[in-house]
Amino acid sequence: LAKTTQPISMDSYEGQEVNITCSHNNIATNDYITWYQQFPSQGPRFIIQGYKTKVTNEVASLFIPADRKSSTLSLPRVSLSDTAVYYCLVGEGYALNFGKGTSLLVTP
Amino acid sequence: KAGVTQTPRYLIKTRGQQVTLSCSPISGHRSVSWYQQTPGQGLQFLFEYFSETQRNKGNFPGRFSGRQFSNSRSEMNVSTLELGDSALYLCASSLREHKTQYFGPGTRLLVL
Repeated sequence: LAKTTQPISMDSYEGQEVNITCSHNNIATNDYITWYQQFPSQGPRFIIQGYKTKVTNEVASLFIPADRKSSTLSLPRVSLSDTAVYYCLVGEGYALNFGKGTSLLVTP
Repeated sequence: KAGVTQTPRYLIKTRGQQVTLSCSPISGHRSVSWYQQTPGQGLQFLFEYFSETQRNKGNFPGRFSGRQFSNSRSEMNVSTLELGDSALYLCASSLREHKTQYFGPGTRLLVL
């Protein structure tokens, strides 16, 4: 499984756009990139998945450059309720190891 | 479609006891995985079941076991509970092995 590297923590103010970048240098040809969101004491929630270029849904956008060695989760106009841990996974949306994720804190 | 359900949601046990946790996957999903989450260790993989067979197993002692039934529902059992087993136990289901997982709300286990 490809190893991923993402920032341990990020801070943002309400209303700002937040971009969380994940590095995955040894991503395989068949691998997808999947992001999960987790609130305290809850199970991770699937946010978005992509293979290349850009994917957008009602919650977020995922930008993947041509070499696919990194990806960026973009959260538009965050609110306090977006405070959570965000995990980047590479594979087929499945992982044995979720890593530490990125802890996002949104403040007023 | 109903999501992944886990029962019970909260549980208090004492050292030495055993516990059984239950997970019902999303309808049509045939793969169920279990994870343990603690503040210090994060999300750690326990095992994955597909078609009633254990496909993968994490690095946990034999006190942790599981099974999957023909309707894809799964149970995990922890015997001879230790204080360190206090954690949030999460179940996730997916259509097939190694596909995008959808998590349940978890069972919070406290061992006293």
